Amino acid sequence: DTGVSQDPRHKITKRGQNVTFRCDPISEHNRLYWYRQTLGQGPEFLTYFQNEAQLEKSRLLSDRFSAERPKGSFSTLEIQRTEQGDSAMYLCASSPGAGENTDTQYFGPGTRLTVL
Amino acid sequence: GNSVTQMEGPVTLSEEAFLTINCTYTATGYPSLFWYVQYPGEGLQLLLKATKADDKGSNKGFEATYRKETTSFHLEKGSVQVSDSAVYFCALIDSGYALNFGKGTSLLVTP
Repeated sequence: DTGVSQDPRHKITKRGQNVTFRCDPISEHNRLYWYRQTLGQGPEFLTYFQNEAQLEKSRLLSDRFSAERPKGSFSTLEIQRTEQGDSAMYLCASSPGAGENTDTQYFGPGTRLTVL
Repeated sequence: GNSVTQMEGPVTLSEEAFLTINCTYTATGYPSLFWYVQYPGEGLQLLLKATKADDKGSNKGFEATYRKETTSFHLEKGSVQVSDSAVYFCALIDSGYALNFGKGTSLLVTP
């Protein structure tokens, strides 16, 4: 078990460009979550998958954001037409889909996005 | 909705001092409560959790008790080390799936 991994760790882009991030959850975890963390704040929930189904989306997830988990394993988060306000740390987490620890989320190292 | 409020930092302590970081919550029902820690340059790590009233979570010398009467989940450690310097986040599960975090409390432990 190698934990939750995210790629890339850092991304610098120009305003208006599209970016895509990848998350690989802990292998036996059915649930996968995306959060966004800005400087000096706690992480904020963006969206959540149970296997390949996207079950919830926060109002923070504007139309420029899209997340997928096509085979119920890894997930991607795409931001189209990036804006400077999108600059943040994007965190992925996973948890078991059943049992007593479904509410215990394990986080990856994050992808730091800087939009110039 | 459910939310947590934690004390603002930064908190600066000398090594071996006693640590308390206050966290109070507002919730309907009794959601699971968590403390996460973020070391410099690293991701969030689960420190401890409690799932019901009067539960005590503990790990690495840190403890927190789920207090229904005072709606609190204060983090404590009897003797801090320099290596405990980090940002600590209190959180609860909202709507059964989303973690709702406090703003974080920065702790600096000096030798």
